[in-house]
Amino acid sequence: GQQVMQIPQYQHVQEGEDFTTYCNSSTTLSNIQWYKQRPGGHPVFLIQLVKSGEVKKQKRLTFQFGEAKKNSSLHITATQTTDVGTYFCAGDTTDSWGKFQFGAGTQVVVTP
Amino acid sequence: NAGVTQTPKFRVLKTGQSMTLLCAQDMNHEYMYWYRQDPGMGLRLIHYSVGEGTTAKGEVPDGYNVSRLKKQNFLLGLESAAPSQTSVYFCASSYATRNTGELFFGEGSRLTVL
Repeated sequence: GQQVMQIPQYQHVQEGEDFTTYCNSSTTLSNIQWYKQRPGGHPVFLIQLVKSGEVKKQKRLTFQFGEAKKNSSLHITATQTTDVGTYFCAGDTTDSWGKFQFGAGTQVVVTP
Repeated sequence: NAGVTQTPKFRVLKTGQSMTLLCAQDMNHEYMYWYRQDPGMGLRLIHYSVGEGTTAKGEVPDGYNVSRLKKQNFLLGLESAAPSQTSVYFCASSYATRNTGELFFGEGSRLTVL
């Protein structure tokens, strides 16, 4: 079955530095979404990517969808303390459209 | 708008007891989901529904049952709770169109099975 893997599991970042988290699927995805969960909170939607090779930006966040639609990345520039949390990717397939499977997440800790 | 509301927020059960978690959404969404979240394992899909009266299994359906009798409600039942079902449960809903498939999550229900 479909598996979605995220790396790294943990990311310690100095404030002001950049980092990237990666999402890889064992199968071709139809859509990929990214969510952020603050400690003690619930996941909150960040973005959805649909097209092969798609790149979207939200201020300091850059999201990419791979050409083969089997991987994705989230790059954060100039990390701030407000970026603390766990970032999840979630994907569905054409066979299971709307059935989003989540990766295990990347937990981000920011050091001032 | 309340969005997605889960009740109860906290519950402690003894092994073998039964309970039902209720999820209600007021956004007229077609799709609804139940996920469980355990440390280091992300969110795992238990069951989901693509519309009123329909349900389908997710990744980890064993030990759970669901019902979607009304479009706005999605119930998750545990018939005989086990310690392995100790977790945080999240309900989510979605319009589930190709361009706006955003999942809206409830605040979660923390269940402890002793």
